[in-house]
Amino acid sequence: AIQVTQSPSSLSASVGDRVTVSCRASQDIKSDLTWYQQKPGEAPKRLIYTTSNLQTGVPSRFSGSGSGTDFTLTISSLQPGDFATYYCLQDHSFPWTFGQGTKVEIK
Amino acid sequence: QVQVVESGGGVVQPGRSLRLSCAASGFIFTTYTMHWVRQAPGKGLEWVAVVSRDGGHTFYAQSVTGRFTISRDNSNNTVYLQMHSLRPEDSAVYYCACPDHERDPWGPGTRVTVSS
Repeated sequence: AIQVTQSPSSLSASVGDRVTVSCRASQDIKSDLTWYQQKPGEAPKRLIYTTSNLQTGVPSRFSGSGSGTDFTLTISSLQPGDFATYYCLQDHSFPWTFGQGTKVEIK
Repeated sequence: QVQVVESGGGVVQPGRSLRLSCAASGFIFTTYTMHWVRQAPGKGLEWVAVVSRDGGHTFYAQSVTGRFTISRDNSNNTVYLQMHSLRPEDSAVYYCACPDHERDPWGPGTRVTVSS
């Protein structure tokens, strides 16, 4: 199975900060990487699919990049509603695998 | 509207069985593969299983292979997760999801607790 390593596991940031989260796959997954946001008590919400495609309705301050094994989620200017946990998912081959999650907290 | 809703969770003793259901609506169910994802208390997301559009192909996480079975009833727009030989580590919120759909609907989840 493809392993996905996500970092950092948590970070503290202020409103307006630029935030980046990384995911590394254990083998080449082309561009088959999805990013989710999850808030406490809620189901995950897809932000970005196929590395860099913004889900409809998601603000443009969210962006994704990368290919192969290394991927990045960037929030250009952190907003109050962005404090949440973020997960990457490799959907290149079964079994799909999620990263361990990054909790973005208020500094 | 496009939605999926899970049901069937509850408290069950170790070694027992439970069947979860996921009712889909608002989209052409037979067009999409369907997935189950779970989240143990305070933990991250774990992908569990997938079933193809016609139900003929399935794939599982190693942690549930041989114990869980995913299936679907296309006449009733429902996907199931039959769980056998349940273990305490199977305790989680179980989500049904349809990531192939442009809206990627997820349900609110159904909680399974495996405890004596």
